[in-house]
Amino acid sequence: GAGVSQSPSNKVTEKGKDVELRCDPISGHTALYWYRQSLGQGLEFLIYFQGNSAPDKSGLPSDRFSAERTGGSVSTLTIQRTQQEDSAVYLCASSSPYGTDTQYFGPGTRLTVL
Amino acid sequence: DAKTTQPPSMDCAEGRAANLPCNHSTISGNEYVYWYRQIHSQGPQYIIHGLKNNETNEMASLIITEDRKSSTLILPHATLRDTAVYYCIVKADSWGKLQFGAGTQVVVTP
Repeated sequence: GAGVSQSPSNKVTEKGKDVELRCDPISGHTALYWYRQSLGQGLEFLIYFQGNSAPDKSGLPSDRFSAERTGGSVSTLTIQRTQQEDSAVYLCASSSPYGTDTQYFGPGTRLTVL
Repeated sequence: DAKTTQPPSMDCAEGRAANLPCNHSTISGNEYVYWYRQIHSQGPQYIIHGLKNNETNEMASLIITEDRKSSTLILPHATLRDTAVYYCIVKADSWGKLQFGAGTQVVVTP
């Protein structure tokens, strides 16, 4: 079946502009995660949604970052007033409500802030 | 979640088995061992996970020691496409973030 999809695959923006990154999880998956990976760095957790529960926002680096998940499916990560240090690959993962929390990742969105 | 220790790099000859070790000496009873890999410029790919018993799937085998303080991921016949960073992650049996370490850079050579 279809995996996790993310769009756009690449985004180049100017410092100070807002960007929106989209994630379509695997159908039926109730948990959705956002991570980011800066050049040469490890994967860093950002935010997590599970069903109708309040999201775990503990990994968001600043209040310029926010995320929504509408209808329990698609999620949008928004970065306001982008800075050069926001340049990274943003990865989305989802997991099924059944069994263990095995997370399946999308291909990522490469964000470059000039 | 418990911390893991992996060697930073490993070379493997194509066609041979690759044995990737991971230490997780502080693992708790409800924590699973997960393995992911990340091929250059791609998202992480789930490989396998286990709790106590050894596991095998179409990609790999996972051997967990009886005391669960270490494990080994086995790629039975490594190919060039298996060149990637391999991450061993210990995670509780509940929904929540994966904590990625530095992983092991595996290079498969012809």
